[in-house]
Amino acid sequence: QQQVKQSPQSLIVQKGGISIINCAYENTAFDYFPWYQQFPGKGPALLIAIRPDVSEKKEGRFTISFNKSAKQFSLHIMDSQPGDSATYFCAASSSGGSYIPTFGRGTSLIVHP
Amino acid sequence: NAGVMQNPRHLVRRRGQEARLRCSPMKGHSHVYWYRQLPEEGLKFMVYLQKENIIDESGMPKERFSAEFPKEGPSILRIQQVVRGDSAAYFCASSGRGGSGNTIYFGEGSWLTVV
Repeated sequence: QQQVKQSPQSLIVQKGGISIINCAYENTAFDYFPWYQQFPGKGPALLIAIRPDVSEKKEGRFTISFNKSAKQFSLHIMDSQPGDSATYFCAASSSGGSYIPTFGRGTSLIVHP
Repeated sequence: NAGVMQNPRHLVRRRGQEARLRCSPMKGHSHVYWYRQLPEEGLKFMVYLQKENIIDESGMPKERFSAEFPKEGPSILRIQQVVRGDSAAYFCASSGRGGSGNTIYFGEGSWLTVV
């Protein structure tokens, strides 16, 4: 059972465009939603995270939008740059469980110059 | 470097051999998580440990795989009698404490190739 569904699997965007990656979850007990960025041959690195008490969080060009009723959250990358080309993972965890983050399957983003 | 340290970065084993992957958590962290990554399959949770205790091993195969996090020294993920299907990237992550909302920090990974 896949608890966090991520789409699309791959995404190609032109430089300066907006990249949007979506995630949906099933477990209503999830209360922490981080996004990780992974470059080839490297480990995932935390990019930005949100809790369900806010609907949006912005850090630089990266924004998380959160819809609690729909159990969905998304990552928006504004003014996408070739250096943003990487794999992005959404994740979710619950303070009511063992706190172990469950990850989506990842989105491979390519930003063309 | 105070980050999560994993070694070896790359490991080649023949079928039937043993693989040992080591992870030193970030300084001050006492919670360790192991994940396995296969192409196009994302990060699959394997095991969550605190010092000297396995907290959750629900993602670990019942046979051939084991993990430990001793009082002294790194956490070790051990794979006995490796098979080709074990070829993957294995990532260790650590956090300062448990609880949702605590960021886990990943190491650079150990790439296991079984030939």
